[in-house]
Amino acid sequence: QSILTQPPSASGTPGQRVIMSCSGGSSNIGSNTVVWYQQLPGTAPRLLIYRNNQRPSGVPDRFSGSKSGTSASLAISGLQSEDEADYHCAGWDDSLNGPVFGGGTKLTVL
Amino acid sequence: EVQVLESGGDSVQPGGSLRLSCAASGFTFKAYAFTWVRQAPGRGLEWVATASGTGGSTYYADSVKGRFTISRDNSRNTLYLQMSSLKVEDTAIYYCAKGDSGSFSSYYFYMAVWGKGTTVSVSS
Repeated sequence: QSILTQPPSASGTPGQRVIMSCSGGSSNIGSNTVVWYQQLPGTAPRLLIYRNNQRPSGVPDRFSGSKSGTSASLAISGLQSEDEADYHCAGWDDSLNGPVFGGGTKLTVL
Repeated sequence: EVQVLESGGDSVQPGGSLRLSCAASGFTFKAYAFTWVRQAPGRGLEWVATASGTGGSTYYADSVKGRFTISRDNSRNTLYLQMSSLKVEDTAIYYCAKGDSGSFSSYYFYMAVWGKGTTVSVSS
């Protein structure tokens, strides 16, 4: 069972805005920054968002991240078919002294 | 171009050993911490171990502490993961990932570049 909690699935239609959540506790999201990874089918994860809302070069600004308290969100606007993937959140946990992950949300573009 | 390539995955019996390697190129290897992350079939990601840029500091998840050893050879731009006393639950794809700094901390814990992974299967 993952330390961070993500809904197992989400869906949206092309052009829509979709928001995925990630819930943690005071020892992780509540006191540290959040990261999001995108994992396209059959491929390795790719860094999508770091430090809550920072995008690495090459990541479209359709992707945005936010954090409030012990929860974080990843929003995708102008949804495209190529966005269909698993999305994993991660954070540093002060109690475990290392990174922890959510179980991942599988995004389906209808 | 930044590249990270894992190798060494195999099928082994419970209690066996295996060494994974990760060859990196396209950047100054010793300047960055490197991490092993694994993904069991149909499951989420799990942090395994991290080595700082110099290799002088290493960090392990509780699930592998005492059984796995992470190391690096900065002269060969290569990261290693020595796995021993393997268990069925160690079965997973093992990814090697480059950090964004030479250190590993709550500020620099994320993995900026990932390899394609190598598969480890532990079964009798």
